[in-house]
Parts: sequence; structure tokens; C-alpha cells
Amino acid sequence: GENVGLHLPTLSVQEGDNSIINCAYSNSASDYFIWYKQESGKGPQFIIDIRSNMDKRQGQRVTVLLNKTVKHLSLQIAATQPGDSAVYFCAENQGGSEKLVFGKGTKLTVNP
Amino acid sequence: DAGVTQSPTHLIKTRGQQVTLRCSPKSGHDTVSWYQQALGQGPQFIFQYYEEEERQRGNFPDRFSGHQFPNYSSELNVNALLLGDSALYLCASSLDGTGGKKLFFGSGTQLSVL
Repeated sequence: GENVGLHLPTLSVQEGDNSIINCAYSNSASDYFIWYKQESGKGPQFIIDIRSNMDKRQGQRVTVLLNKTVKHLSLQIAATQPGDSAVYFCAENQGGSEKLVFGKGTKLTVNP
Repeated sequence: DAGVTQSPTHLIKTRGQQVTLRCSPKSGHDTVSWYQQALGQGPQFIFQYYEEEERQRGNFPDRFSGHQFPNYSSELNVNALLLGDSALYLCASSLDGTGGKKLFFGSGTQLSVL
């Protein structure tokens, strides 16, 4: 069945370090993946997305890597800042379906 | 450019009551999805509305119903509230046909059922 999970529920880094948040998915039919950031009291905020015909996509300070062979997704944040502290969710979508399936999330804490 | 707006922000109800939550999509979007987010969990898909019809539904009972209006705004109704319905209810909008499922979320309605 569908399942999107995260390897680590919490991650603590120092300001200025690079952060890597991992995500495993089990639905090999998924062809679209997306990362969201959710701050306390707010809704999820879009960070970056990637389609299954790509293995890497870069944004501003963020990079998403997709390894379809092992069904693994990661979000890399460069030069992590205190404002990056939040819960990060990966979500996947299978073509033909309208829904996103979310994992439980990873809480990122950036220490000054 | 207004983003997704939801009302109310907080709501307290008692078991057995009914509740209506409202959502206005991001300007230019025509599709609205509703998600339930329990504390410490990721959002769970309730249903999606497009062209005023429910296009797809998640694993939620019939107590959860919705509506989409001609201006694309939407309502989520929950009848016979249970304690377990306490959660953050998120509305997300998107533009159909743009490819992918890039959703823009509102800040949610925090529902507490006592």
C-alpha cells in the first residue's frame, strides 16, 4: 500500500551547517514528490518538488534528490539558518490520483 | 495576491455537534482539497473538489462532506462530531491541469471537540 515515511523524526544542527532530511516511500508507482515546511501554527509551505523523470532538482539553498532504485528522497538545506527550524514533510503522488500522501515529518532544530 | 484563506482559525465544539469550515483558494486556482492533520502527524487527505464536484475522496466516513461554490471557494462539513475529530483542518488549492500536485495550503482551522 501507500506509505511515505521518514528515517529520523528529529534533526538538530548548528547554524551554518548543511542539513539533510531523508524520506522513504514504498509506492513504486509514485511519479511526483514534494517537500513542505511547516512552522508552528501555520499550514505547510511549499519548498521544492521533483518528478520521477529527474533525480536532482535545485532551488534557493535547497536541493532535492530522488533515488527511484531504492525509493528514497532527500532534502538538502545549505547553510541552515534559525528560520529553517520547522517540521519538514515529504509527500508523494501517484499519477491518476489527486491526493498527496504525507509522511509523519522531521522536526529540524537549528541551534545558533 | 491573497493566498489560501481559512475561517475560523479556531473552533471548539462538543460531541455530536456539527461544524462547517470555510476556505477561499489562492487567486487563480480552481481546485480545493481538504486535509486533516492530527497532532504530530502528517496531513491526511479527506477529499478534493473541482468544478463543484467531489473528484476524489480519502478514507473518511460520510460524516465528512463538502461543497464547492462557483467562485471556487469551499466548505467542509463534519456531522456528529467525535472526540477523534479534533485536529487541524487544512485547505489547499491548486490549478487543475498544471501538472503535478503542487498544493498551496492555508493556515488551517484548529478544531477541538470536547
